[in-house]
Amino acid sequence: GENVEQHPSTLSVQEGDSAVIKCTYSDSASNYFPWYKQELGKGPQLIIDIRSNVGEKKDQRIAVTLNKTAKHFSLHITETQPEDSAVYFCAATLGAGSYQLTFGKGTKLSVIP
Amino acid sequence: DGGITQSPKYLFRKEGQNVTLSCEQNLNHDAMYWYRQDPGQGLRLIYYSQIVNDFQKGDIAEGYSVSREKKESFPLTVTSAQKNPTAFYLCASDWGTGELFFGEGSRLTVL
Repeated sequence: GENVEQHPSTLSVQEGDSAVIKCTYSDSASNYFPWYKQELGKGPQLIIDIRSNVGEKKDQRIAVTLNKTAKHFSLHITETQPEDSAVYFCAATLGAGSYQLTFGKGTKLSVIP
Repeated sequence: DGGITQSPKYLFRKEGQNVTLSCEQNLNHDAMYWYRQDPGQGLRLIYYSQIVNDFQKGDIAEGYSVSREKKESFPLTVTSAQKNPTAFYLCASDWGTGELFFGEGSRLTVL
């Protein structure tokens, strides 16, 4: 089955700096890669996603890049703010024709004011 | 407002008891999912259902059971056979596209 590795497990940045979280996946047939943000005591919320026919996608201060050859994708948050502090999960579909997700283990991001 | 409602938010259980976690959605989604979250372990799939009256085991189904009698409801029963049930349980739904909408979660503690 699909295996998703996520790094780092914890990340601290100064307010205003950028944060980058990286994930690798094992199944070359995976074609959908979402990112979720989970605030303390709440359920995860989809913040951005990318499909395998696209290399990069941006939404205001967040962006996701995908390298299909290397089988890795990354979340970039610019101009970080204290409200960006949360746990971030990457995920990948099991393979072609499937939308069942396998999740990474999460990155706890702390933005220091 | 459309969304997913999980209840109860907190639940305490004695060893040997079965408990049922409720999940209701009014998003008209076809697919519903149950995930278990443990510290440092990410989200692991317990069961999922793509249509009414049909469901499949996920990666960690042992000790759990589900039903899908209505499109909007997907309750999860944690049975006494689950050896380590203390965890945060998340219900989710989607149109089968992978874009999951999650509930607020239910925290189960075994005393």
